[in-house]
Amino acid sequence: GQQLNQSPQSMFIQEGEDVSMNCTSSSIFNTWLWYKQDPGEGPVLLIALYKAGELTSNGRLTAQFGITRKDSFLNISASIPSDVGIYFCAGMEGGSEKLVFGKGTKLTVNP
Amino acid sequence: GEEVAQTPKHLVRGEGQKAKLYCAPIKGHSYVFWYQQVLKNEFKFLISFQNENVFDETGMPKERFSAKCLPNSPCSLEIQATKLEDSAVYFCASSQSADRGGNQPQHFGDGTRLSIL
Repeated sequence: GQQLNQSPQSMFIQEGEDVSMNCTSSSIFNTWLWYKQDPGEGPVLLIALYKAGELTSNGRLTAQFGITRKDSFLNISASIPSDVGIYFCAGMEGGSEKLVFGKGTKLTVNP
Repeated sequence: GEEVAQTPKHLVRGEGQKAKLYCAPIKGHSYVFWYQQVLKNEFKFLISFQNENVFDETGMPKERFSAKCLPNSPCSLEIQATKLEDSAVYFCASSQSADRGGNQPQHFGDGTRLSIL
């Protein structure tokens, strides 16, 4: 089945720093999504990307849908303590609409 | 409602017992998805519904797992004769119809943590 490679696995940064994480796939997706999951909660949608090359921002978050449709990145600028959590990329398969998830990037922000 | 509601939040069962989990999708959403999150945060797709019809069940372990989405009732995921390996957090997600334009993002509930002892 399809797999997503998400990196890095974890990051330790200082408050105020910028963060970048990415996902790559061996196959094409029609939609890329980025979620954040806090302990004991479900994934919360951050950004949805629908077109190859699309660059979308949501506050301090920016994400891009790769031209080849096989990759995506998420940037967080000027990190703050509440950015702590696990970030997941997910690709949506055309037709079935099921999500294939990356294994997550655990972000720790030191105040 | 405005959120995906999953119950119970925690469920403990002895090995071999039955477990039943419930999910109420966001009002107006016609797709429902079930995912299993195991150790190391990995998500595994189980099954999806379009209204009350099974849409994709390629991820379901057919022997012991079953799911339903009946009109005017919460969707359910049932595991018969549970095994230790079924211990996981089970997430439900819902999305609007693709008729609204392209793939629609899925919105998740807070999950049911199932512990098999």
